[in-house]
Amino acid sequence: DQQVKQNSPSLSVQEGRISILNCDYTNSMFDYFLWYKKYPAEGPTFLISISSIKDKNEDGRFTVFLNKSAKHLSLHIVPSQPGDSAVYFCAASASLQAGTALIFGKGTTLSVSS
Amino acid sequence: DVKVTQSSRYLVKRTGEKVFLECVQDMDHENMFWYRQDPGLGLRLIYFSYDVKMKEKGDIPEGYSVSREKKERFSLILESASTNQTSMYLCASSLGFGNQPQHFGDGTRLSIL
Repeated sequence: DQQVKQNSPSLSVQEGRISILNCDYTNSMFDYFLWYKKYPAEGPTFLISISSIKDKNEDGRFTVFLNKSAKHLSLHIVPSQPGDSAVYFCAASASLQAGTALIFGKGTTLSVSS
Repeated sequence: DVKVTQSSRYLVKRTGEKVFLECVQDMDHENMFWYRQDPGLGLRLIYFSYDVKMKEKGDIPEGYSVSREKKERFSLILESASTNQTSMYLCASSLGFGNQPQHFGDGTRLSIL
């Protein structure tokens, strides 16, 4: 059973507008969440993370929001740029459980048109 | 910056061959990981290692083994390659578990004919 779900396989946005990528999780032990960006033929690149003690983390154009009660997080990109076109993976971990690896969602392909 | 280097970007092998994929990291990270990425399936964990000579199975270890003789190097071995192992293979490393990001290499696109 999928513990981390990205229910939208794809998202299309115009340049300059906001992109919102969503992620849901089922394991209440998860307390650390990350977003990765992946271009074709490259490895995923770490983008931004958030700990469960926070509900928001911001880094430039990227903001991650966490709603623990809903077991939901989202990544906002404002303003979106054509170079943001990539696959975005949500990942989660239970940091207090020793030896556990990140659990990844299946990814959302973002297309930003100019 | 963390550098994770995978020995080959593209590799073509034949069914039944024993295949070695090599990964080296230069940041003295304790943890190393092997994933495969397939369309519509995301990143699936094959094996990981939290110390030299230590290994743990991930979600899809069947048909694979790993070796970690030195801290900086983590090898993935396909014991007898099959066509369903054609995939993008990604290596990653991290300083710790839970609250540390993993850093990825550029991947190896492996084709089994």
